[in-house]
Amino acid sequence: EVQVVESGGGLVQPGGSLRLSCEASGFSFSNEWMDWVRQAPGKGLEWVGNINQDGSQKYYVDSVKGRFIISRDNTKNSLYLQMNSLRAEDTAVYFCSRTLVDLGQGTLVTVSS
Amino acid sequence: DIQMTQSPSSLSASVGDRVTITCRASQSISRSLNWYQHTPGKAPKHLIYGASTLRTGVPSRFSGSGSGTEFTLTISSLQPEDFATYYCLQYNSYPRTFAQGTKVEIK
Repeated sequence: EVQVVESGGGLVQPGGSLRLSCEASGFSFSNEWMDWVRQAPGKGLEWVGNINQDGSQKYYVDSVKGRFIISRDNTKNSLYLQMNSLRAEDTAVYFCSRTLVDLGQGTLVTVSS
Repeated sequence: DIQMTQSPSSLSASVGDRVTITCRASQSISRSLNWYQHTPGKAPKHLIYGASTLRTGVPSRFSGSGSGTEFTLTISSLQPEDFATYYCLQYNSYPRTFAQGTKVEIK
């Protein structure tokens, strides 16, 4: 059974940093693109970015370019989202996804002073 | 960026009703479209890929159609577990973009 489990969310002050993790199981992690998706309170789903199998290609939505970095460790079946210079509008539940097919239950990030 | 628009934004329906949701793209995306079902507090559930291919395990009352810029999701006979918000997503180009969603509520 495919599983992706996010962790690392929490409360952070504006301008701060946070690193999310996603642990994957039940599929060949090193063979799959991985994505991050988020949902702000009361809003719809928003694609954040993705990374290819070996980490050599990454794409981001404009609103996070230069602030967020996606990375992966295929030896640990893990995906990461390093979030820097956080803003109030980054407050959301962040979902990890195997190729936009299997998504996790998400982890909540709250940016507030 | 490709803009995705769904209609209606919300609808009220009864169990057993036929429900159709429309998704429009601001430019052609061929058939590069997914549909998702999302209930608060749960993982979004992937229903359809390639505009019309049902993911394994998804009930056959769900169907998708369309290509280019106009797509539809149809639920042939609404069941209690289908009350949720539905989203389309284009994966034809970057950035991937979701539409704003359609909330299906109980009448």
